[in-house]
Amino acid sequence: TQLLEQSPQFLSIQEGENLTVYCNSSSVFSSLQWYRQEPGEGPVLLVTVVTGGEVKKLKRLTFQFGDARKDSSLHITAAQPGDTGLYLCAGGKTGANNLFFGTGTRLTVIP
Amino acid sequence: GAVVSQHPSRVICKSGTSVKIECRSLDFQATTMFWYRQFPKKSLMLMATSNEGSKATYEQGVEKDKFLINHASLTLSTLTVTSAHPEDSSFYICSAKRSYNEQFFGPGTRLTVL
Repeated sequence: TQLLEQSPQFLSIQEGENLTVYCNSSSVFSSLQWYRQEPGEGPVLLVTVVTGGEVKKLKRLTFQFGDARKDSSLHITAAQPGDTGLYLCAGGKTGANNLFFGTGTRLTVIP
Repeated sequence: GAVVSQHPSRVICKSGTSVKIECRSLDFQATTMFWYRQFPKKSLMLMATSNEGSKATYEQGVEKDKFLINHASLTLSTLTVTSAHPEDSSFYICSAKRSYNEQFFGPGTRLTVL
């Protein structure tokens, strides 16, 4: 059973469009990370959010942690082909060493 | 940012042989490292937690005698796939925990067992 469900699972959009990826759970997390992974490589950490309601921006990417710390979203503005990849959310729990990874969202941005 | 390396990046071996994969944190010390397995187009599956100076903690369904983990120093963990079989072919990724709940990942190792 996956603690974190991501939606959509697959997303294919045209360059310049906006998109939002959701990461949902019934569990509360002490932190939430977003990673992007390209084929044949390891995931790269994009952001960490720790406070309910927190919003962080990274250029065209906006990350939000839900008020109850059970969900998160990633919004990309004016997507570019370089944004193509597998986006993974991961939650941390107090007292747990490991992260709980989401099911993943595979994004393809078509030039 | 924190850098984690993995070696080798690709390995092809014959069935029945053992393969060792190294994971190193290059610019920070990591008392905890993790080993994941990733199937094509899927998310990461945690195999085990590697703790410096103590035994690894394996996830349910992962054979500890098959996947030997050693974390001998604060910057190195190794995963040895013993008596590898074709079904062990996969993408193996390690990560190192730097602080709080942040993990930094290695580039992965593609294992192909013939």
